[in-house]
Amino acid sequence: SAVISQKPSRDICQRGTSLTIQCQVDSQVTMMFWYRQQPGQSLTLIATANQGSEATYESGFVIDKFPISRPNLTFSTLTVSNMSPEDSSIYLCSVGGTSGGHNEQFFGPGTRLTVL
Amino acid sequence: KNQVEQSPQSLIILEGKNCTLQCNYTVSPFSNLRWYKQDTGRGPVSLTIMTFSENTKSNGRYTATLDADTKQSSLHITASQLSDSASYICVVSEEAGTALIFGKGTTLSVSS
Repeated sequence: SAVISQKPSRDICQRGTSLTIQCQVDSQVTMMFWYRQQPGQSLTLIATANQGSEATYESGFVIDKFPISRPNLTFSTLTVSNMSPEDSSIYLCSVGGTSGGHNEQFFGPGTRLTVL
Repeated sequence: KNQVEQSPQSLIILEGKNCTLQCNYTVSPFSNLRWYKQDTGRGPVSLTIMTFSENTKSNGRYTATLDADTKQSSLHITASQLSDSASYICVVSEEAGTALIFGKGTTLSVSS
């Protein structure tokens, strides 16, 4: 399994500002994913972070709002730009791996964002 | 549209009691079904993963069942403990690619 850390663990931000979330993995991984978990809702995939190329965004998410960097195989950042209260959510980093012979996804602890 | 529905939305039980959480899905074609436990302020942690051909999988006091014909799964927790208080998320993987479809989760509260 992979050990994933995220910074910050939580933050309270003013509307109109931007926040960059960092994700660090203890081993090299090909695929890293960024999810959003809004209150009372299921996890929603924002994008897949690809090393050496642009991230692949899911429907409803755009690069201008959620720019992603992936400078190497152990690190990625997600920026939430020009924030509004609707962006208040938990943001989770995830990586693919194997466990017990199955493809698995391992999640970081999440970043709890509150936008005022 | 591929969906994963969980019930109940929330549940309160006394310590030591058993409980069963339900998951219905419409994902097709289907690769595997996973149950995750998410403690407050933490990321989801995998409990069990079952492929199409598996009917049951256990992990300690957690037992997951799968009926691929009716597209239903359940997670049974035996002799609950206070530390079982968490959100339990059912996740179904599409057959092709890595797309995961998440349920909204069941929030379990175990009280003494």
